[in-house]
Amino acid sequence: GQSLEQPSEVTAVEGAIVQINCTYQTSGFYGLSWYQQHDGGAPTFLSYNALDGLEETGRFSSFLSRSDSYGYLLLQELQMKDSASYFCAVTDTGRRALTFGSGTRLQVQP
Amino acid sequence: GAVVSQHPSRVICKSGTSVKIECRSLDFQATTMFWYRQFPKQSLMLMATSNEGSKATYEQGVEKDKFLINHASLTLSTLTVTSAHPEDSSFYICSARDQADTQYFGPGTRLTVL
Repeated sequence: GQSLEQPSEVTAVEGAIVQINCTYQTSGFYGLSWYQQHDGGAPTFLSYNALDGLEETGRFSSFLSRSDSYGYLLLQELQMKDSASYFCAVTDTGRRALTFGSGTRLQVQP
Repeated sequence: GAVVSQHPSRVICKSGTSVKIECRSLDFQATTMFWYRQFPKQSLMLMATSNEGSKATYEQGVEKDKFLINHASLTLSTLTVTSAHPEDSSFYICSARDQADTQYFGPGTRLTVL
């Protein structure tokens, strides 16, 4: 099976940089994804890493180390609208479904 | 990006009735769709994997006779919650996987069973 750990809450101020870590255990690793979810909404795709290294998409970057079973999401130049829950999710090699972490609630303060 | 729709967005039903939720990939073909459920302040939990033209694969603990899944075409999967009970009240979200293996989520359906 799969299990993921990420912090439950993070607080930061506008303009700052925040890093949300995710460690995982899986029997067959295919890739690590990050999703953002605002209250009452569905998850929206942010980033995906299948190989080690950093993927950059605008203000968001995601990093993966397969040997450490670890990844992180980096959010730069935080804006109030970034206040949301962020989920890391592992894709397995079998059915290639997503197993989600418990989510990190990010609160951006003025 | 790719678009996935769900219908209805909200539904309220009486206990014992059945509810059908549709999931459509609007601009790509999806041989595989997934159904998730999310209770308040919790994470998304995979319920089943829906493959076009074949039977769905259910996760452990998910009753296949209660949550009927049909994936009749490359752009449509349906989830029917049969004989719904208040404990089935939840946020049901589908996703569709494109050829690049990226999953795109629908906007979700909030089910309330009275």
